[in-house]
Amino acid sequence: EAGVTQFPSHSVIEKGQTVTLRCDPISGHDNLYWYRRVMGKEIKFLLHFVKESKQDESGMPNNRFLAERTGGTYSTLKVQPAELEDSGVYFCASSPGSAGVRNTQYFGPGTRLTVL
Amino acid sequence: ILNVEQSPQSLHVQEGDSTNFTCSFPSSNFYALHWYRWETAKSPEALFVMTLNGDEKKKGRISATLNTKEGYSYLYIKGSQPEDSATYLCAFSPGNQFYFGTGTSLTVIP
Repeated sequence: EAGVTQFPSHSVIEKGQTVTLRCDPISGHDNLYWYRRVMGKEIKFLLHFVKESKQDESGMPNNRFLAERTGGTYSTLKVQPAELEDSGVYFCASSPGSAGVRNTQYFGPGTRLTVL
Repeated sequence: ILNVEQSPQSLHVQEGDSTNFTCSFPSSNFYALHWYRWETAKSPEALFVMTLNGDEKKKGRISATLNTKEGYSYLYIKGSQPEDSATYLCAFSPGNQFYFGTGTSLTVIP
């Protein structure tokens, strides 16, 4: 079974540019999560999809971030325009079923975003 | 803001040594505690999901315990091997989302 995949693995952009990150969850997983880790700090929750609906987006930093999950399969996270403080590793995770936070979340390898 | 603390921040041990580290979390509104093993540039790998006070889980040489009343979980590695070198992350959940600690970075010296 294929794991969670993320693309690209690394992105370097200039301040003010736009970047779109993609996550493909494990097939059949209804729950999809985005997280971010700023260097030296903890991994922080950004948002949670159940199928195509946003269940919780309380962790999204501001309106420069837009996440979508059209059709309930893969998800994209767009940052527009990017700022220096957006640099970090963006993780995606997915989980099956309805047991919520008692379910294991399976993580992708992350996208390392560097904003210059 | 929920505070999840892991200690120590980093640890160097000799091959063959046993080691343990701590994850501290709020003792109220406990729902689940997850442990992950993470090597940089790879996917964090799920180790354990712990939900009941007094839980003890084991996977090979790695085991974990849970005390929800006092708000801590221990992760133990018996007979550390160089391939155990990684960052060990805990994630606490009060029911809505995961709150991660900053991790314990373990280096096992051959």
